[in-house]
Formats: sequence, C-alpha cells, structure tokens
Amino acid sequence: AQSVTQPDIHITVSEGASLELRCNYSYGATPYLFWYVQSPGQGLQLLLKYFSGDTLVQGIKGFEAEFKRSQSSFNLRKPSVHWSDAAEYFCAVGAVGTGGFKTIFGAGTRLFVKA
Amino acid sequence: NAGVTQTPKFQVLKTGQSMTLQCAQDMNHEYMSWYRQDPGMGLRLIHYSVGAGITDQGEVPNGYNVSRSTTEDFPLRLLSAAPSQTSVYFCASSDRGFGYTFGSGTRLTVV
Repeated sequence: AQSVTQPDIHITVSEGASLELRCNYSYGATPYLFWYVQSPGQGLQLLLKYFSGDTLVQGIKGFEAEFKRSQSSFNLRKPSVHWSDAAEYFCAVGAVGTGGFKTIFGAGTRLFVKA
Repeated sequence: NAGVTQTPKFQVLKTGQSMTLQCAQDMNHEYMSWYRQDPGMGLRLIHYSVGAGITDQGEVPNGYNVSRSTTEDFPLRLLSAAPSQTSVYFCASSDRGFGYTFGSGTRLTVV
C-alpha cells in the first residue's frame, strides 16, 4: 500500500525567500505524485503532477517539484515566495489499489509567510 | 461548467441520525473519491470509485457507505452518525487519476 510523509507540520519563510517543502512516499513501483494547495476555508487545487519522464516538473503559480527515485522524495520548491502563497500544502501519491486507482494524501505542511 | 458540486455545505446531526452527502460532477470523470479532513491528519480516503458500479474502501471506511449508479453522482451515506464523524468532507473527481478536481466541501458536526 502507498503512503506519504510530510515531515514538516509548518514552515515560516520571509516574503521573497526561497521555499522547499518536503515529501517522502512509499510505494513499490513508480507512483503518480501530486502537490495540492489549500487556502484557508477553501477546497484543494492541483499545483503539479508527475507520472513519468522528466523528473523536474513545473506547475502553476511558479512552483516546481523534483522526483528523486533514490530518495523516494518529491519536494516542492519556489524560488521567491509571495504573501499570497500562505496556505496548506499537501503531497499525494496515486497508485493502483484493489479497487482501482486511488490517491492517498500526506498530513500537510502549513506555510506562513512573514513580511 | 460547474465542476464538482457538493451539498449541503453545512450540516448538524444528532448522534444516531443518518444522512447522505451529495456529490455530482459534470466533467464525465471516471474516478471519484470521498475524503475527510481533520486538523493535523490531512485528507483521509473514505471510499473511491473508478467507474459506475465499481467502488472500494479507502483508509477510513467504517460508518460510511457509497454507491455509484451513474458516472456523474457519488453520494456518501452516514449510517448512524457519531461525534467522531465530525469533520470536513471533500468529494473529488479525476480523469483516470490525472489529478483531482475537488468540491468545496461539507462541514459536518455531530452532536
């Protein structure tokens, strides 16, 4: 069965600083990997996804993520954080289960941005 | 194009009551899922479906039932509500797992 670990419950960065959110997954084969963002009181929005091919994927809002098979990681990065990036970020792994394809989420990392 | 529509947005139930959370999507997506979100625990998968007539249990299925009679609809039934089911519930749909589109959620309180 697949699982996802997001080691950081919350992170604080200064506006304009770079950001890296960590994600580690567990799955026997190559998984489908996703990052989602949830603004306060809102639903979730897909930032980016990885299925195969180039291990560095670009997403919306200037985010990117790198798949590293040797480390079972899929960390999310942004070169310069804006105050509007303050939100909760979820890493997710999709894989085939007994009933078909299912997606499991990590516990999330809450990002605080200070001026 | 409405996307994923969840109703109701808010609900208060008494312990032991039953109810159905509605979810409908108009994108002709095959995959649909129900998650619950609790503080510090992220989203936990309750049930999922890969097409009409096909459903399976997720991580936390106890106390919940689902059915998928059409591609568009995926209702979640609470059989006998308990305070532990107080949560925010999200329905999501996907085209063959290529990333979910989420509904706006249902905030459920069981007293």
